[in-house]
Amino acid sequence: SQQGEEDPQALSIQEGENATMNCSYKTSINNLQWYRQNSGRGLVHLILIRSNEREKHSGRLRVTLDTSKKSSSLLITASRAADTASYFCATDADGSEKLVFGKGTKLTVNP
Amino acid sequence: NAGVTQTPKFQVLKTGQSMTLQCAQDMNHEYMSWYRQDPGMGLRLIHYSVGAGITDQGEVPNGYNVSRSTTEDFPLRLLSAAPSQTSVYFCASRNRDHDTQYFGPGTRLTVL
Repeated sequence: SQQGEEDPQALSIQEGENATMNCSYKTSINNLQWYRQNSGRGLVHLILIRSNEREKHSGRLRVTLDTSKKSSSLLITASRAADTASYFCATDADGSEKLVFGKGTKLTVNP
Repeated sequence: NAGVTQTPKFQVLKTGQSMTLQCAQDMNHEYMSWYRQDPGMGLRLIHYSVGAGITDQGEVPNGYNVSRSTTEDFPLRLLSAAPSQTSVYFCASRNRDHDTQYFGPGTRLTVL
């Protein structure tokens, strides 16, 4: 079964707006990662947050982690049309070597 | 570095045929994994390996075999293709000490 579940499944916004995606997971983790996938391409790593961190920034990306609620959010600020892609969270379920992905949020940024 | 490479990019099989999807990485990564991606299902782990000679099952291993004779290569074998195996297959690798996973470009497989 999927470890991570993203919410919403799809999100459509205008260029310049902020986009927020959420991820919930079931078991304890060592870290949580966010990946991006452009249509028809492989996944690209965006950012990793460890279980002892609460917030992390990278450029226009801001990730938060709440281990008590087993949830994370990815915020993309000042979105651009080029941010249109699917975004996935991934966790090392129970600290194992396996990386388990959620079903993804499809983000569309309209020019 | 070429990173993670996969061949072929596209493949069409008939039910019952067998084939091998190739995956190679030139980053000397210990960990390698195979995922399949289906619409609305995200990525599901098929098999993974933590080093040469060591493999283990993921979430959906049935119908697939893997082996890891070298650090660089991690082929995925479909023993007897079924229409349910129509999917996009991604190979990925990562260093044991770093959690970032690097993905190949994918193989789009259709089983008729």
